[in-house]
Amino acid sequence: GDSVTQMEGPVTLSEEAFLTINCTYTATGYPSLFWYVQYPGEGLQLLLKATKADDKGSNKGFEATYRKETTSFHLEKGSVQVSDSAVYFCALSNTGANSKLTFGKGITLSVRP
Amino acid sequence: DAMVIQNPRYQVTQFGKPVTLSCSQTLNHNVMYWYQQKSSQAPKLLFHYYDKDFNNEADTPDNFQSRRPNTSFCFLDIRSPGLGDAAMYLCATSRDSGTSGYEQYFGPGTRLTVT
Repeated sequence: GDSVTQMEGPVTLSEEAFLTINCTYTATGYPSLFWYVQYPGEGLQLLLKATKADDKGSNKGFEATYRKETTSFHLEKGSVQVSDSAVYFCALSNTGANSKLTFGKGITLSVRP
Repeated sequence: DAMVIQNPRYQVTQFGKPVTLSCSQTLNHNVMYWYQQKSSQAPKLLFHYYDKDFNNEADTPDNFQSRRPNTSFCFLDIRSPGLGDAAMYLCATSRDSGTSGYEQYFGPGTRLTVT
């Protein structure tokens, strides 16, 4: 079945540091890939997405590129801020009716001033 | 703004006392989902509605039920809450489309405490 693997956390960075969060996936067919962010006590917010190979999703300075050859969708940001402290989930969705999100375990990012 | 709304944000119930959580949406999406999320874990899908069609996950306990009286509203009923059901419950919606990538829009969640 489909699965998503995220790097182990938590991650602690200083403000303005470069961020990479690794995500790899296993899926049949041609899934869509997502990064969701969850701030403390809140629901999940879509951060970015990519629906086909070589697509780059971007939002709020975050980027991720759909790499079919390495089955990866790593999240990057050039300069993190304290306000980026949250839990980040990588997820995939396969096409077709009644499709569901398959989530990775999530990783907690803490950014210190 | 179009959105997914969950009420209440915090719910306290007693062991074994039925409780209902509600979700409404102004996005006019035809798919609605309920997830359970425990601390430091990914959300776990309980069930979803595709229009009026109910789809239960194989490992969702019978204690959890759902109703969708119309497109905008969906309810999660926990018939006899146990201590292990204390969690954040998230509602989400999506628009069925063959090309959109099936992104889901989440509500803020209801934090359920069982005493």
